[in-house]
Amino acid sequence: GQNIDQPTEMTATEGAIVQINCTYQTSGFNGLFWYQQHAGEAPTFLSYNVLDGLEEKGRFSSFLSRSKGYSYLLLKELQMKDSASYLCAFPGYKLSFGAGTTVTVRA
Amino acid sequence: EAQVTQNPRYLITVTGKKLTVTCSQNMNHEYMSWYRQDPGLGLRQIYYSMNVEVTDKGDVPEGYKVSRKEKRNFPLILESPSPNQTSLYFCASSLSGATGELFFGEGSRLTVL
Repeated sequence: GQNIDQPTEMTATEGAIVQINCTYQTSGFNGLFWYQQHAGEAPTFLSYNVLDGLEEKGRFSSFLSRSKGYSYLLLKELQMKDSASYLCAFPGYKLSFGAGTTVTVRA
Repeated sequence: EAQVTQNPRYLITVTGKKLTVTCSQNMNHEYMSWYRQDPGLGLRQIYYSMNVEVTDKGDVPEGYKVSRKEKRNFPLILESPSPNQTSLYFCASSLSGATGELFFGEGSRLTVL
């Protein structure tokens, strides 16, 4: 089976850095997705990690450690528009998402 | 423009009145999927399709039907809607369901009275 664990909520200040952790258990690993979802809107793809290490895309970076069953999404130079839910998920035909982490950015 | 289009975006209906939510993608994607989203429960998969005429159940298929007669279309059918199907529904597609990035439609907010 598969299991994903993320914190429910996080709050940070504009301009700060926030790290959203995702720990997982799976019997077969094909990588890990991160998606962003603003309230009432569709999720949008942020990153896909299949190898260990850090991948950087502008203000957002995603890290994976397969041996530890651990990933994180790092949001730098936080902006108000980054207030959203962030979902980690396993790829696959039966792809389901966890409830995600709701990040609130305060001025 | 590459997109996934869902209709209707908003619908209020009554218990038992059959309805169909359409989903169409113009990216020639093989994989399509339907999700519902409810507060505190995240996105839960209803049905998915790996290709034309190939569909399978997701985590919460009860009360729903799907069909995939053409590659671009994947309608979600509620034969006899009930109030517990009130939810926000998303259709998504990807080039490859196993590892492909999902492209989502804008969502359909359904209320069943």
